[in-house]
Amino acid sequence: EDKVVQSPLSLVVHEGDTVTLNCSYEVTNFRSLLWYKQEKKAPTFLFMLTSSGIEKKSGRLSSILDKKELFSILNITATQTGDSAVYLCAVGTGVTSGSRLTFGEGTQLTVNP
Amino acid sequence: NAGVTQTPKFRILKIGQSMTLQCTQDMNHNYMYWYRQDPGMGLKLIYYSVGAGITDKGEVPNGYNVSRSTTEDFPLRLELAAPSQTSVYFCASSYSATYNEQFFGPGTRLTVL
Repeated sequence: EDKVVQSPLSLVVHEGDTVTLNCSYEVTNFRSLLWYKQEKKAPTFLFMLTSSGIEKKSGRLSSILDKKELFSILNITATQTGDSAVYLCAVGTGVTSGSRLTFGEGTQLTVNP
Repeated sequence: NAGVTQTPKFRILKIGQSMTLQCTQDMNHNYMYWYRQDPGMGLKLIYYSVGAGITDKGEVPNGYNVSRSTTEDFPLRLELAAPSQTSVYFCASSYSATYNEQFFGPGTRLTVL
């Protein structure tokens, strides 16, 4: 059974702090790892990682994948209150009939002013 | 483009009632998915489809049925609703099986009393 584990499950920080969110996985037929942000509505896509060691960046957010150790991290620098959300990690697995995502439970990030 | 649309946004059902959650996408995606998200949890895959006429079970298919007669539509049917089906339901679609980026609809919040 495919498994995705995120840590911590919740995190409270002050504006300006830097945070690191973790995602580890055990799956068969790995194809990609994706990060989504969810703010009380539908998840919105942040990053997709397919290769080890290549950092993806978007503004203050960055992410990297380690396919040998089976984990990924999502970094957010200089956090803002607007970063408060649940961050979901999902692993894409390729099966003969299509693609599937297995989600972790998410990390609830709260950024206080 | 409207992207992925879902109706209704909210619904309250009595135990034993049935209903259909509608999902439509206008991005010409072959791959479509149904997830449920329970409070404080990640998303769990109910059913998915790799094209018109082809569907397959996900992690939690019991109590649900799907059909895919067109590329655009992927309705989810609940038969004999139970309190355990109280959840938020998200429909998603993707273009590529290989890269697995999925686009989500706004969700349907279902309560079974």
